[in-house]
Amino acid sequence: GAVVSQHPSRVICKSGTSVKIECRSLDFQATTMFWYRQFPKKSLMLMATSNEGSKATYEQGVEKDKFLINHASLTLSTLTVTSAHPEDSSFYICSARDKLLYNSPLHFGNGTRLTVT
Amino acid sequence: GDSVTQMEGPVTLSEEAFLTINCTYTATGYPSLFWYVQYPGEGLQLLLKATKADDKGSNKGFEATYRKETTSFHLEKGSVQVSDSAVYFCALRLLNNQGGKLIFGQGTELSVKP
Repeated sequence: GAVVSQHPSRVICKSGTSVKIECRSLDFQATTMFWYRQFPKKSLMLMATSNEGSKATYEQGVEKDKFLINHASLTLSTLTVTSAHPEDSSFYICSARDKLLYNSPLHFGNGTRLTVT
Repeated sequence: GDSVTQMEGPVTLSEEAFLTINCTYTATGYPSLFWYVQYPGEGLQLLLKATKADDKGSNKGFEATYRKETTSFHLEKGSVQVSDSAVYFCALRLLNNQGGKLIFGQGTELSVKP
């Protein structure tokens, strides 16, 4: 089945540094990918919709200069957390859909646990 | 706006007990409905789906029926196992909504004891 690979699975960084998280669709092409954030014991909050070849669409309240999204190809989207602070520590999950199967379910990566010290 | 509401957890059951996790939704259009499962430390896996009214999704012994009249998509399983312990998310998707983003319920944690 379709696989979405997310890397790294865990990252620890110091406050003030930037961290890049990659999301790859391994056996399909995805014109749209979604980035979610999940707090402990909480649901998934959609941060932004990543569109191949164009600017990402951010949800209300999400700082686009803080969370930079680049969808440079049909198989790769990246989320960069800039100038990270401890409050950015969270579980980040990406998802993607096969561009040829518009009504197909979203496939999710295994998430990235970010800890900012 | 569009939203999904799930019953609050945690739900604790003994092995082989019957499971129901309630899910209701509010949507302006005609959504597709999904149940996802998240095991500790992992991402989400699609459990089952239904794309129109009266459809029944099923997988691994879990079932859910799309009830338009009650705007519900309750998850059921006749006999749970310890390995079913996870967090379950109900979600809806409107295809005319920014490429079909998913809107999730708050999640229901299930703990199955031997």
